[in-house]
Amino acid sequence: SNVLTQPPSVSVAPGKTANFTCGGDNIGTKSVQWYQQKPGQAPVLVIFYDSARPSGIPERFSGSNSENTATLSISRVEAGDEADYYCQVWDGSSDHPVFGGGTKLNVL
Amino acid sequence: QVQLQESGPGLVKPSETLSLTCTVSGGSITNYYWNWIRQSPGKGLEWIGYIYNSGTTNYNPSLKSRVTISVDTSKNQFSLKLSSVTAADTAVFYCARTHTYYYGSGTYTRYFDLWGRGTLVTVSS
Repeated sequence: SNVLTQPPSVSVAPGKTANFTCGGDNIGTKSVQWYQQKPGQAPVLVIFYDSARPSGIPERFSGSNSENTATLSISRVEAGDEADYYCQVWDGSSDHPVFGGGTKLNVL
Repeated sequence: QVQLQESGPGLVKPSETLSLTCTVSGGSITNYYWNWIRQSPGKGLEWIGYIYNSGTTNYNPSLKSRVTISVDTSKNQFSLKLSSVTAADTAVFYCARTHTYYYGSGTYTRYFDLWGRGTLVTVSS
């Protein structure tokens, strides 16, 4: 199955760590990407290949992936991190992407 | 610095064909996969399809019967046509570049490393 499941929302206080999960059958065998989308803007890649950060993405953003759950973590959360976060894998058999439904980060 | 810019009508009538163009500036359109992705109001991301500069295409099965993506390498542009639109096709449409990342022996993943700003297309009479 190529369904990726994300919780609708996550709430965290400033300065704390936000964790976003992306569930899928044996997702640990796939490469997972994460995108940040702020209101009214296009998505921005923040993690690729499970845990690699593109140039310009702060070290506060980290990722991991094991068995049936991939996780994006944002440490020392700031108000400016409020956004929707989407996970994505690439289905090699059909050669197309699969997106999770997205999780909205609320900074308290 | 490579940039993508979507263009096209912001309003399309039901049953008509939606047409959008993405212009790639600051770099060549060759040797990459180029995608259309849409986002209905308040919803998540939905991949529509991609084209390679050779003309190879791949479409989302749920939209395949209505979608055509084409490329004009001389203009550094690629285009989307979505036919027989309904109100359910109202969305922000993004063009995006695929990056292929190789790891291990013959193993790769693909992701979207560059996006346009998006354009809202409303389907309404």
